[in-house]
Amino acid sequence: GAGVSQSPSNKVTEKGKDVELRCDPISGHTALYWYRQRLGQGLEFLIYFQGNSAPDKSGLPSDRFSAERTGESVSTLTIQRTQQEDSAVYLCASSPALLSGNTIYFGEGSWLTVV
Amino acid sequence: DQQVKQNSPSLSVQEGRISILNCDYTNSMFDYFLWYKKYPAEGPTFLISISSIKDKNEDGRFTVFLNKSAKHLSLHIVPSQPGDSAVYFCAASGSGSARQLTFGSGTQLTVLP
Repeated sequence: GAGVSQSPSNKVTEKGKDVELRCDPISGHTALYWYRQRLGQGLEFLIYFQGNSAPDKSGLPSDRFSAERTGESVSTLTIQRTQQEDSAVYLCASSPALLSGNTIYFGEGSWLTVV
Repeated sequence: DQQVKQNSPSLSVQEGRISILNCDYTNSMFDYFLWYKKYPAEGPTFLISISSIKDKNEDGRFTVFLNKSAKHLSLHIVPSQPGDSAVYFCAASGSGSARQLTFGSGTQLTVLP
């Protein structure tokens, strides 16, 4: 596709339920990132995939969060047993390779509300 | 520990005047810096970037200045337009521990007509 595509665009879920968020990166982009922005806060790094290398999971806030990526394509971010503090917009981004010299391109985000 | 800091959460500027948004960083491994603009309900969009080998990069109304010794960069918008009203994020990346893109907390710019 022309840009980074994320689904669902909006999700309301009950506390304790699991949610899956999907990201389709720009074709050919080997690097994929997940960020989170909670209300009134900045962009918080969650996880980074680069090709077939082990992902950098250093930003995942708890073991309820996990992400997978198949090759250089789709990624899913899974949040288990959601809590109200998980409410945020989850942003996926991709870039052609390791970042140096390249920009990353964001999707429009998946807005998650935990009630 | 915030490695990229935007100390001004908001800035208001009159249309036609200059907007200056500031950003400070602490990680000396950062060597590439970017500014992103974000409108409500949209993802951030890339605005302008600068490599650490430069101290200035200009693109139309937007100029980014980098002061490596002070670990400081700024984004200048001149002349400012009402459509520039958005949240502006500074971001940085580099090698090793700094390889992921690290964002500041953003500055809400409001350009008053």
